Amino acid sequence: EAAVTQSPRNKVTVTGGNVTLSCRQTNSHNYMYWYRQDTGHGLRLIHYSYGAGNLQIGDVPDGYKATRTTQEDFFLLLELASPSQTSLYFCASRGNQDTQYFGPGTRLLVL
Amino acid sequence: QQKVQQSPESLIVPEGGMASLNCTSSDRNVDYFWWYRQHSGKSPKMLMSIFSNGEKEEGRFTVHLNKASLHTSLHIRDSQPSDSALYLCAASRNTGNYKYVFGAGTRLKVIA
Repeated sequence: EAAVTQSPRNKVTVTGGNVTLSCRQTNSHNYMYWYRQDTGHGLRLIHYSYGAGNLQIGDVPDGYKATRTTQEDFFLLLELASPSQTSLYFCASRGNQDTQYFGPGTRLLVL
Repeated sequence: QQKVQQSPESLIVPEGGMASLNCTSSDRNVDYFWWYRQHSGKSPKMLMSIFSNGEKEEGRFTVHLNKASLHTSLHIRDSQPSDSALYLCAASRNTGNYKYVFGAGTRLKVIA
């Protein structure tokens, strides 16, 4: 099964703080995704990418930047974190037959 | 913005019973549907996919798709306590941009 790892697993920051969430996949998948999961909303797409240097805007991009530095690595950046960004963040990569493989998630708390 | 609606929000079924979950897309251009299962504290894992009208069965799980109504349903027979989880429906268009929209999920609890 495809391997997707995320770091950190938990993060606490203050309002206005700077946060970087990291994601790595080791299956050479082209597409990678960042989602946030909140109760009552399911998974909402923030940004996605189909390769190094590429970035596509998702459905809830405000307040987030992302960068795909290599085939394996996809980063989500919150430059001025706000309490509304407190959430569970999942990274995923797209494999065969459009199956998405999710990382273990990062729980972010913005105080 | 396309939306994916799931119902019911939560469902309780007895062990050995049948669970039926529903999902509808508001986007007429959607072609593909997936069902993911997420156990508590874990990440979502793909359960089944369906791309054509009709029915698909894998073990205790059956998925139906009606493309005309953009409705898919997941049926779990002989439900087990280990089936207790959040079930997420996802949809995408066949446009090559590989963007997926998820519903809010149905939380299933199977009681012994």
